[in-house]
Amino acid sequence: NAGVTQTPKFQVLKTGQSMTLQCAQDMNHNSMYWYRQDPGMGLRLIYYSASEGTTDKGEVPNGYNVSRLNKREFSLRLESAAPSQTSVYFCASSDDRYDQPQHFGDGTRLSIL
Amino acid sequence: KQEVTQIPAALSVPEGENLVLNCSFTDSAIYNLQWFRQDPGKGLTSLLLIQSSQREQTSGRLNASLDKSSGRSTLYIAASQPGDSATYLCAVELNYGQNFVFGPGTRLSVLP
Repeated sequence: NAGVTQTPKFQVLKTGQSMTLQCAQDMNHNSMYWYRQDPGMGLRLIYYSASEGTTDKGEVPNGYNVSRLNKREFSLRLESAAPSQTSVYFCASSDDRYDQPQHFGDGTRLSIL
Repeated sequence: KQEVTQIPAALSVPEGENLVLNCSFTDSAIYNLQWFRQDPGKGLTSLLLIQSSQREQTSGRLNASLDKSSGRSTLYIAASQPGDSATYLCAVELNYGQNFVFGPGTRLSVLP
């Protein structure tokens, strides 16, 4: 009963390094999302994917790239990490039916020094 | 731009109390509103989803109401328990499957 799985759970990077956060869901959902959560703020949408092969920018896409590798997997890449990208990153997925909630992974805690 | 606020930011109550958490949004043109629970170090778990045409939803001891015209939603928790301690977030969906805006959350502590 995995749901949404994110890897890694924790990561420390140096400024300028690159990294890819992985997300996979086993619920056959079409829609997948990447959010960041910062202290005192709500989750902010980085990118989303309504279906395999499509991606769209959310509220805070600068500094990130995404790949919807197949229906199950949606990855988030930081090409040149900056301290401002220190955050907790959450992946989520949802069914196409409009009254179905989003399912979240447990998050990746990323620190950039 | 849609903004979502939640009051109070933190709340501490003794076990057994009934309590209300508030969520406000600035643009009433929403698709739906969801309430989530977040435990420390964990992701979000959906509690209740209210479609834009609905007024309320209930699940067990939880009841959520929606007043689109005034831009408000409330989450009512009856007979609170220590296990209810968590952060509660509300989120509005602006367009189908595309744009979600989250509030900052209310951190709830229920004391035994």
